[in-house]
Amino acid sequence: GNSVTQMEGPVTLSEEAFLTINCTYTATGYPSLFWYVQYPGEGLQLLLKATKADDKGSNKGFEATYRKETTSFHLEKGSVQVSDSAVYFCALSDPYNYGQNFVFGPGTRLSVLP
Amino acid sequence: GAVVSQHPSWVICKSGTSVKIECRSLDFQATTMFWYRQFPKQSLMLMATSNEGSKATYEQGVEKDKFLINHASLTLSTLTVTSAHPEDSSFYICSAREQDITRTQYFGPGTRLLVL
Repeated sequence: GNSVTQMEGPVTLSEEAFLTINCTYTATGYPSLFWYVQYPGEGLQLLLKATKADDKGSNKGFEATYRKETTSFHLEKGSVQVSDSAVYFCALSDPYNYGQNFVFGPGTRLSVLP
Repeated sequence: GAVVSQHPSWVICKSGTSVKIECRSLDFQATTMFWYRQFPKQSLMLMATSNEGSKATYEQGVEKDKFLINHASLTLSTLTVTSAHPEDSSFYICSAREQDITRTQYFGPGTRLLVL
């Protein structure tokens, strides 16, 4: 079945550091890929998405490129801020596999220190 | 982007009472909504898929008589936790799915339930 693997956290960075959170997936079809962010005590917010190979999703300084050859969708940001402290979830949606609606990774907790 | 609301955001109740949580898609129609449960510092656990006009589909291990789901319109799904017990205390999150090929899910802000 489909699955998503994320790097283990927590990740602790200083403000203005470069961020990479790795995400790889396994899918039988052609999934859409997503990054969601969850701030403390809140629900999930869609951060960015990509629907086909080589697409780049971007939002609020975050970027991720859909790499079919490496089945990856790594999240990057050039300069993190304290306000980016949150849990980040990688997810996939396989529209051709109706048995699995959405598959989430376990989440990566990011702490940014001033 | 699409907006999903949940109500209430916080609820405290006595053991044995029932609690209803509403999930609304505010600016799009959703034939399918989802209910998740999240334990502290863990990922989301899918409880059930809510289909407009038909019965919900429950994940293995989720009691359908305990967690009643009603999806009466294209913008509203409700989750009722019946005869709540302290072990039902959790963070409940709903999502609504767009009707396009990407099947993007938009999430509500969550409802924190505390059963005393």
